[in-house]
This record gives sequence, C-alpha cells and structure tokens, in this order.
Amino acid sequence: EPEVTQTPSHQVTQMGQEVILRCVPISNHLYFYWYRQILGQKVEFLVSFYNNEISEKSEIFDDQFSVERPDGSNFTLKIRSTKLEDSAMYFCASTGTAPTYGYTFGSGTRLTVV
Amino acid sequence: SQQGEEDPQALSIQEGENATMNCSYKTSINNLQWYRQNSGRGLVHLILIRSNEREKHSGRLRVTLDTSKKSSSLLITASRAADTASYFCATDYEGNTDKLIFGTGTRLQVFP
Repeated sequence: EPEVTQTPSHQVTQMGQEVILRCVPISNHLYFYWYRQILGQKVEFLVSFYNNEISEKSEIFDDQFSVERPDGSNFTLKIRSTKLEDSAMYFCASTGTAPTYGYTFGSGTRLTVV
Repeated sequence: SQQGEEDPQALSIQEGENATMNCSYKTSINNLQWYRQNSGRGLVHLILIRSNEREKHSGRLRVTLDTSKKSSSLLITASRAADTASYFCATDYEGNTDKLIFGTGTRLQVFP
C-alpha cells in the first residue's frame, strides 16, 4: 500500500537553529499538509498546499515557517529559527484528487528543540 | 469548547468486548473521519463518513453520524489487544475541506 514517508524520524536541534523536515507524499496525490502534535495534546493543522502554493495556514504557521515542493516529489517544512515550544511531532499528510477523502499520514518526525 | 471532543478520554476493556467512543463537534461539516494512533506513531485513517450518511461499516468498525446532534460514535466490535491505541475523530470546519480539526482523542486499552 502506498505510504507517505517522512525523514528524519527524530531530530534534535538547538534553539535558534533552522530545521527542514522532509516528506515524500504519495505520488499521485495533489493535496499536501503539515500537522503537528505537541506531546499529550491534540493534532493541530499547520498548513495545506495545493497546486504549488499554500491554500490555507493556521495562526501557528507564522513567518518562521515555510513549505516547499522543490522537485515534484518532496514536500518540506522549514522552521527558520526554532524555539523550545516548536518541540512536537510533525506529521505530513497527503490526499488524492479532492480533500474529501481520508488522508494518508506519514509516521512523523519528532522534533526536539533544546 | 472545541470543534472535536471525544469521550471517554480513556477506556479500558477486555479482549472480546466492544468499545464505543463518541465525538462531538460544533460547526457544519462535509465529513467526519476517524483515525487511530499507536503510541508515538503516525495517524492511520480508519473510516470516513459523509454528512449525508448515517452509518458506515468497515470490518469490525461501525461509525454513526447524527448531524442534528453534531455527534458521531465509533464502535469496535470483538476488540483485540492490537486495538490498543488512541482514537481521534477529525472534521473539516464549516464546510472547509482544506483542513482537518482533530478531537482530543480516546485512549483505548484492551487487555488480553
């Protein structure tokens, strides 16, 4: 069964450093998302991406965050200057021809900011 | 209160028993989805029910949706130890299908 692949599975970074979280969505999917889950809390929407542009973003997704689909297969989330409160599990997801079907989530990247 | 709230927050049952989890939401929706999350792992899509559907089955899963009460339930029949996980409902928000709003989750523990 097709999978969404995320790398790395765990990243530790120092506060103020930039991190790039990588995702390879399912190849024929058109809608891409990033969500995050702070330990013990709800899964929160960050951003949706369609047709090579952001279609929606949450208030969490401030200027420190950016997304890119650089080569037609990868989908990246960049955090420019990490803060302690950015520590969370980050999930990439994709869905097919319309976002009215179930999403396929990756297994996540655990980001720890120290 | 929040868009998606599940109850109970935690549920412990014996293998073979049925587990029922409930979800309430606030706004109009196009669909409601249920996901499972094993500890520290990703989210696995279980089932999607559209706003014009009232009940849906998938294997041992049965989902109901009552749009008049803005609530849904997930029933897992004949539970197994492997069903131990957290279960989340997720909805779009006021018909906006571009993002999912997740509930708070129910932690299910199935004892062998």
